[in-house]
Amino acid sequence: SYELTQPPSVSVSPGQTASITCSGDKLGDKYACWYQQKPGQSPVLVIYQDNKRPSGIPERFSGSNSGNTATLTISGTQPMDEADYYCQAWDSSHVVFGGGTKLTVL
Amino acid sequence: EVQLVESGGDLVQPGGSLRLSCAASGFSFSSYSMNWVRQAPGKGLEWVSYISSSSSTIYYADSVKGRFTISRDNAKNSLYLQMNSLRHEDTALYYCVREIVGATDYFDYWGQGTLVTVSS
Repeated sequence: SYELTQPPSVSVSPGQTASITCSGDKLGDKYACWYQQKPGQSPVLVIYQDNKRPSGIPERFSGSNSGNTATLTISGTQPMDEADYYCQAWDSSHVVFGGGTKLTVL
Repeated sequence: EVQLVESGGDLVQPGGSLRLSCAASGFSFSSYSMNWVRQAPGKGLEWVSYISSSSSTIYYADSVKGRFTISRDNAKNSLYLQMNSLRHEDTALYYCVREIVGATDYFDYWGQGTLVTVSS
């Protein structure tokens, strides 16, 4: 079965750039999206179709996808961005989530 | 405003059954594909099942195939998940999720979830 691999944790200082990767076999041939989940809350879509932001998502969130890796980039990271982030893609009629990355802003 | 409200979660013994419901409002429910996604306590997201707008296409995760059945009633704006032969590992918060189908598919709205606990 298809797998997406994320680093368990990423740390960043406020105002700096955070990059969260998501790796999967030929992931660049698929579309990737990203969800943010804060403690006790439901996930929120932050990036779809590799690099598109839904309405209401700040411009500091961006995405890319090439080769075997999709990347979520948060520029000028703010304390409010501290959360778990999950990548997601479709493979053979199945939805696949990455294991999630805990982003710590300190 | 789009709203997805899950219900039906409960404490159930291993081998038991449970039926989850999701009441949708604020959008044309019959026009959207829907999914169930679950999250075990302290763990990541796991997709469970998909159903197309007309119920013509249904998919299941391998972990629940043959035990769970997804369905919908467009007249009642409702999504369901019938869960049979429940196992300890099915313990999770179950989310009802709306899907956008197009050039690419993604989940744009999530409910607050309903908790299923499988324990003796």
